[in-house]
Amino acid sequence: SQQGEEDPQALSIQEGENATMNCSYKTSINNLQWYRQNSGRGLVHLILIRSNEREKHSGRLRVTLDTSKKSSSLLITASRAADTASYFCATDASLIQGAQKLVFGQGTRLTINP
Amino acid sequence: ETGVTQTPRHLVMGMTNKKSLKCEQHLGHNAMYWYKQSAKKPLELMFVYNFKEQTENNSVPSRFSPECPNSSHLFLHLHTLQPEDSALYLCASSQGSVGDLLAKNIQYFGAGTRLSVL
Repeated sequence: SQQGEEDPQALSIQEGENATMNCSYKTSINNLQWYRQNSGRGLVHLILIRSNEREKHSGRLRVTLDTSKKSSSLLITASRAADTASYFCATDASLIQGAQKLVFGQGTRLTINP
Repeated sequence: ETGVTQTPRHLVMGMTNKKSLKCEQHLGHNAMYWYKQSAKKPLELMFVYNFKEQTENNSVPSRFSPECPNSSHLFLHLHTLQPEDSALYLCASSQGSVGDLLAKNIQYFGAGTRLSVL
């Protein structure tokens, strides 16, 4: 079954505004990651937060994790046109003989309008 | 540039054709993955290789055949595909068993092969 589900599915904001995306998951995790995907390209890792962390920052990105609610949020501050992309959360499903299996959500399509 | 290169970037094939997708990583990783990304569906894990050994086959039809000759190269051989197989096929790599616990979790993706089956 799908582990991560992002909300909203699509978000359109003006440049300079903040964008918040949410992710919910179903089972216990060791960590949660956020990835970005530009149209028709591969995914790029943005940030990883461990299950014992509540908040993490990286530049204009802020990620929160609430394990009691099984949810995470990604905040992008002072958005730019270049932030236009799809954003996915990924949870660690299982370790397969050393290779980490990740389960991705359906993603949030973010559009930054100039 | 993520260090993971996929070729070709685009592929159009008929249902009776045989083609192969190639993935090469220059990151010194030991684990490699194939994913399928279809419109409006979550990323689907297809195959996992760790140190050249296949460790996961996620109930993928036999018309998809993976090959991993070494830790740097991964192929996906395609034959007698169906139109519903049209999708973006993504390759990824990670450190696998080597490296710290968090580094093992991070996957590096190629730009993908956009496949259209006619």
